[in-house]
Amino acid sequence: AQKITQTQPGMFVQEKEAVTLDCTYDTSDQSYGLFWYKQPSSGEMIFLIYQGSYDEQNATEGRYSLNFQKARKSANLVISASQLGDSAMYFCAMKAAGNKLTFGGGTRVLVKP
Amino acid sequence: ETGVTQTPRHLVMGMTNKKSLKCEQHLGHNAMYWYKQSAKKPLELMFVYSLEERVENNSVPSRFSPECPNSSHLFLHLHTLQPEDSALYLCASSPGLAGVFGRTGELFFGEGSRLTVL
Repeated sequence: AQKITQTQPGMFVQEKEAVTLDCTYDTSDQSYGLFWYKQPSSGEMIFLIYQGSYDEQNATEGRYSLNFQKARKSANLVISASQLGDSAMYFCAMKAAGNKLTFGGGTRVLVKP
Repeated sequence: ETGVTQTPRHLVMGMTNKKSLKCEQHLGHNAMYWYKQSAKKPLELMFVYSLEERVENNSVPSRFSPECPNSSHLFLHLHTLQPEDSALYLCASSPGLAGVFGRTGELFFGEGSRLTVL
């Protein structure tokens, strides 16, 4: 069974600063994919970034980067130069064998001006 | 027009009512999903459809009945619900039931239907 753990229920970050959101995962599969989604108050889940288990380089998408440490089974999301619009819930998710995308419990981020 | 559209956005129903949630995707995807998001719980996968066939039913009570008449539409029929069924119900689609690698596993979500059962 797969499991995703996000230990930070909520955090504040100052506008223009960077923030790191923690994510650890547990799976016995060798092949898997890791995703981060953003959920603003509107409810829609928005894809941010993807990392494959065999990717040698950390994924980056604009201001988002994924700090992938395979041996530690962690896939932390780094948001650089935070903006007010970054205030939202952030979910880490994993897809391994099968069709399920397993989600963590989420971290609420509030960006302060 | 957004890729995945859900209606209604908000629904209040009594335990004896029968209602339906609708999801429509305009992305040409072949797979569609229902997720339940309750307060303080991770998203729970409920149903998966691929090419209009149900490929996964994640131990969901029979008071939730999905229907996928074509690859663009997905319904969730609700009857005799319980107050603990109150949640945000999210619909998603993906190009297919892809393997693990690549962003083909990416889901595109709608904004959800917030259900309150009285």
